[in-house]
Amino acid sequence: ETGVTQTPRHLVMGMTNKKSLKCEQHLGHNAMYWYKQSAKKPLELMFVYSLEERVENNSVPSRFSPECPNSSHLFLHLHTLQPEDSALYLCASSQDNRVGYGYTFGSGTRLTVV
Amino acid sequence: GQNIDQPTEMTATEGAIVQINCTYQTSGFNGLFWYQQHAGEAPTFLSYNVLDGLEEKGRFSSFLSRSKGYSYLLLKELQMKDSASYLCAVRDVVAGGGADGLTFGKGTHLIIQP
Repeated sequence: ETGVTQTPRHLVMGMTNKKSLKCEQHLGHNAMYWYKQSAKKPLELMFVYSLEERVENNSVPSRFSPECPNSSHLFLHLHTLQPEDSALYLCASSQDNRVGYGYTFGSGTRLTVV
Repeated sequence: GQNIDQPTEMTATEGAIVQINCTYQTSGFNGLFWYQQHAGEAPTFLSYNVLDGLEEKGRFSSFLSRSKGYSYLLLKELQMKDSASYLCAVRDVVAGGGADGLTFGKGTHLIIQP
């Protein structure tokens, strides 16, 4: 399998649930990202990991908790979410020394909080 | 901070040419990207500009003027499959890391008519 794979594709969760989103990249990239895409709003950067270390937390609420156990895997742990957190969550990866090739995005997880 | 502006929606005719403009005001600049996103799918990389001038890639070209904070994406010989959202994104420099997150505009929804 190639590219960036996200699971699950769709997720419905209650406000008291705990769930995790998974992202896996098979491109040999050394940086991974979480983005949030809501209707009528631009893609919002949430977290950046470079060489498995978090380099940016873009003022994201603590109910979102990222984890990067190795350079190929990225998780987003969710707990006590709010309905306004319903959105498309996109994972991306890149290679620092090949910026001109762009960032590769996964297909996203469509999250609905009820 | 970053502010990226692009038109919300444009309409063009199959076979014609369309230019999608993007202006940005940023505290830092480390390159500009254009992405294409079809409804329900992941954004896909189209182009990258870091120096002033025009980059051409088949039917798509992208232009950058750093002094004016301005870019455009030019699509030639439009096809129906080009109906999508086109996202302008600026690469910022994240303190402390080699991985830099992208800041996106809201995207331009391009409608191609027969």
